[in-house]
Amino acid sequence: GAVVSQHPSRVICKSGTSVKIECRSLDFQATTMFWYRQFPKQSLMLMATSNEGSKATYEQGVEKDKFLINHASLTLSTLTVTSAHPEDSSFYICSARDLHGYTFGSGTRLTVV
Amino acid sequence: AQKITQTQPGMFVQEKEAVTLDCTYDTSDQSYGLFWYKQPSSGEMIFLIYQGSYDEQNATEGRYSLNFQKARKSANLVISASQLGDSAMYFCAMRELFRPPGNTPLVFGKGTRLSVIA
Repeated sequence: GAVVSQHPSRVICKSGTSVKIECRSLDFQATTMFWYRQFPKQSLMLMATSNEGSKATYEQGVEKDKFLINHASLTLSTLTVTSAHPEDSSFYICSARDLHGYTFGSGTRLTVV
Repeated sequence: AQKITQTQPGMFVQEKEAVTLDCTYDTSDQSYGLFWYKQPSSGEMIFLIYQGSYDEQNATEGRYSLNFQKARKSANLVISASQLGDSAMYFCAMRELFRPPGNTPLVFGKGTRLSVIA
């Protein structure tokens, strides 16, 4: 079946630094990638939708300058958390449409110290 | 307005028993899709079952079945013969169709934490 590989699975960074999260579709072309954030014991909240070759669409309340999304190819989408702060600590997970539904990456647990 | 409502923050079930996890949804679309996912403590999202709005029969996948009541806008997940490994968070989600084709994300409910007791 379709696989989305997400890296890193865990990252700890210092406050003020930037972190890049990658999602690669391994055996299909992901024209659209959805990025979600999940705080502890909460639901998945859509942050943004990225489309290959165009600018991402951000949900209301999500700072596009802080959460940079790049979707340069049909198999790779990246989310960069810039100038991370402790309140950005969360679980970030990507999802792509495939032929049968939605395939999720395994998620990235970000801790900003 | 909340699109997906899961009213049970937590549920307990005895091993080998059946359990129903509730989900109601709100949409004005005639065509939509309903999904259930399992999220263990590792965080991965495991697809369980899908129901299309035009599907006349309730979806089934092994021990999972979806009790789809369109008029009531409910899509409850039934897990039969619960196993200890079923302990996890369960999310109901809906595919919205107001966006252009291809740009239709899943919208999730708040989830239900299921604990299976030996």
